[in-house]
Amino acid sequence: AQSVTQLDSQVPVFEEAPVELRCNYSSSVSVYLFWYVQYPNQGLQLLLKYLSGSTLVKGINGFEAEFNKSQTSFHLRKPSVHISDTAEYFCAVSYPTGFQKLVFGTGTRLLVSP
Amino acid sequence: DVKVTQSSRYLVKRTGEKVFLECVQDMDHENMFWYRQDPGLGLRLIYFSYDVKMKEKGDIPEGYSVSREKKERFSLILESASTNQTSMYLCASSPGDQTGELFFGEGSRLTVL
Repeated sequence: AQSVTQLDSQVPVFEEAPVELRCNYSSSVSVYLFWYVQYPNQGLQLLLKYLSGSTLVKGINGFEAEFNKSQTSFHLRKPSVHISDTAEYFCAVSYPTGFQKLVFGTGTRLLVSP
Repeated sequence: DVKVTQSSRYLVKRTGEKVFLECVQDMDHENMFWYRQDPGLGLRLIYFSYDVKMKEKGDIPEGYSVSREKKERFSLILESASTNQTSMYLCASSPGDQTGELFFGEGSRLTVL
């Protein structure tokens, strides 16, 4: 079965520190990968996506993610976080066969404190 | 910019009431989706639609139905609301470009008393 695992339900970090949010997926075939961010009481917005090409993907707000096919991972990173990055982050995958549906992880809550 | 609009941000209903959640998108997307979001469970797909009048069950369709009479509008219906349907409901749309990228509305937080 298709699945996405976000091992960390919550990641506390101090402002200006680096952060990595982990995402692993299950697949033996090519995939498309996405990170979405959800600020409090809002919907989800796209942070970045990997469709093909370079394995290092840059997104909005200084975030980037690296696609690692051998480890089936797509970890999200930011070298220096801000208070305003406090939000919930969702990793998602779609498989380029059949109807396109995203499969979501359970989310990681990033808590940035001063 | 793609805009997905959900008619109500917050609703409070009583057990047994019929509830309509409306969603409209303005980018001519073929596909539309309804998810519910609960703490610790992430997003779970309720129903989706790939064309007008077409609908498919997602992972948790029980207790819900949907309607898509026009391309831009996708409605979620709770025929008889129950307390375990208290949740955040998210509508999304996607073009038929085979990547699956979703564009989300702001969400509707439903409380069933």
